[in-house]
Amino acid sequence: AQSVTQLGSHVSVSEGALVLLRCNYSSSVPPYLFWYVQYPNQGLQLLLKYTTGATLVKGINGFEAEFKKSETSFHLTKPSAHMSDAAEYFCAVSDGFGGGADGLTFGKGTHLIIQP
Amino acid sequence: ETGVTQSPTHLIKTRGQQVTLRCSSQSGHNTVSWYQQALGQGPQFIFQYYREEENGRGNFPPRFSGLQFPNYSSELNVNALELDDSALYLCASSAGPREGKLFFGSGTQLSVL
Repeated sequence: AQSVTQLGSHVSVSEGALVLLRCNYSSSVPPYLFWYVQYPNQGLQLLLKYTTGATLVKGINGFEAEFKKSETSFHLTKPSAHMSDAAEYFCAVSDGFGGGADGLTFGKGTHLIIQP
Repeated sequence: ETGVTQSPTHLIKTRGQQVTLRCSSQSGHNTVSWYQQALGQGPQFIFQYYREEENGRGNFPPRFSGLQFPNYSSELNVNALELDDSALYLCASSAGPREGKLFFGSGTQLSVL
């Protein structure tokens, strides 16, 4: 069985500061890892994904994440926060591409607050 | 390119009733997955439909059922509603059953009283 733990249900940063959202996973097979963002009253949107290959993954809106197998982590970062980054962020794991027959397993989410 | 659309956006039902939620997949996508998102939680996988067949299922009882139509749109049916079924139901479409990029609709907020 797979699971995802997101440390911190709420993270607050100042505009222009570094954003770091933490995600740890467990999986019995090599994982496929994802970060999704959910803006108020909207569906989830894929920020980035790791399948195989390069462990540093770049996504949309200046976000990136690094897969660290030894730490079972996939933390999301952005060098400089913008007010428009305020949203709910979900880390997800799959043992087969996009989830296939088992779907994606999501964490509980981290609410990112940007202080002016 | 038409995105994923869900209807209705909000729904109120009473315990024991039945409900049908609808989803139109994004143009060109043949796979639809349904997720339940309870308040303060991440989405939980209900099931996936591919080529009009259920292709996988999460830990949900049989009273959660679905359909996929030839145009790839989909329905989620829930029978004998319980209070704990109150949640946001999200539909996601993808270009294939093992495609990593899911496109989500805005969801249907179901309240069971």
